[in-house]
Amino acid sequence: GENVEQHPSTLSVQEGDSAVIKCTYSDSASNYFPWYKQELGKGPQLIIDIRSNVGEKKDQRIAVTLNKTAKHFSLHITETQPEDSAVYFCAASTQAGTALIFGKGTTLSVSS
Amino acid sequence: NAGVMQNPRHLVRRRGQEARLRCSPMKGHSHVYWYRQLPEEGLKFMVYLQKENIIDESGMPKERFSAEFPKEGPSILRIQQVVRGDSAAYFCASSAGTDPYGYTFGSGTRLTVV
Repeated sequence: GENVEQHPSTLSVQEGDSAVIKCTYSDSASNYFPWYKQELGKGPQLIIDIRSNVGEKKDQRIAVTLNKTAKHFSLHITETQPEDSAVYFCAASTQAGTALIFGKGTTLSVSS
Repeated sequence: NAGVMQNPRHLVRRRGQEARLRCSPMKGHSHVYWYRQLPEEGLKFMVYLQKENIIDESGMPKERFSAEFPKEGPSILRIQQVVRGDSAAYFCASSAGTDPYGYTFGSGTRLTVV
């Protein structure tokens, strides 16, 4: 079935360092790849997304890259800050295009 | 401009009781999606509804779970005869279009079955 694998499950960095989270997906029909940030007790918040006709997208300190051939996509956070600490989820659209399949999440801890 | 509103935020039910979770989409959004999040897990799709129609319920358990989105009022996710395994966070998302681009999630309902 459709599946999204996300690595690493936990990531600890020093303030100012970069953080990279990687995901792979199984369904070649997936064409939309969002990233969500979830803070404790809250719902997921969309931070950046990319569609299959684009290889890279950047928004200030956050960037996402997509390799459709390898079915990989990655989140890059530069100049990390303590407020970046949260759980990050990647997702891929289903073949039907009506829902998202989520990875299991990465807990990012940024220490000052 | 209120976002997606879910209530209650926390719900405790005894085994065998019914749980009703409510979701009001963002203004102007007519598409609602329900997801379930188990501890230490990602979100799992349950059901996609438009007003008065279930579009995709491929993620819904076959028994005890149902969902509706009436012409008036919020979307309701109903769980009958709850069991401990139903304990999870249930999130609702809404969108304006017919695909998941630009989902906005609510803050969720945390269901605890005792």
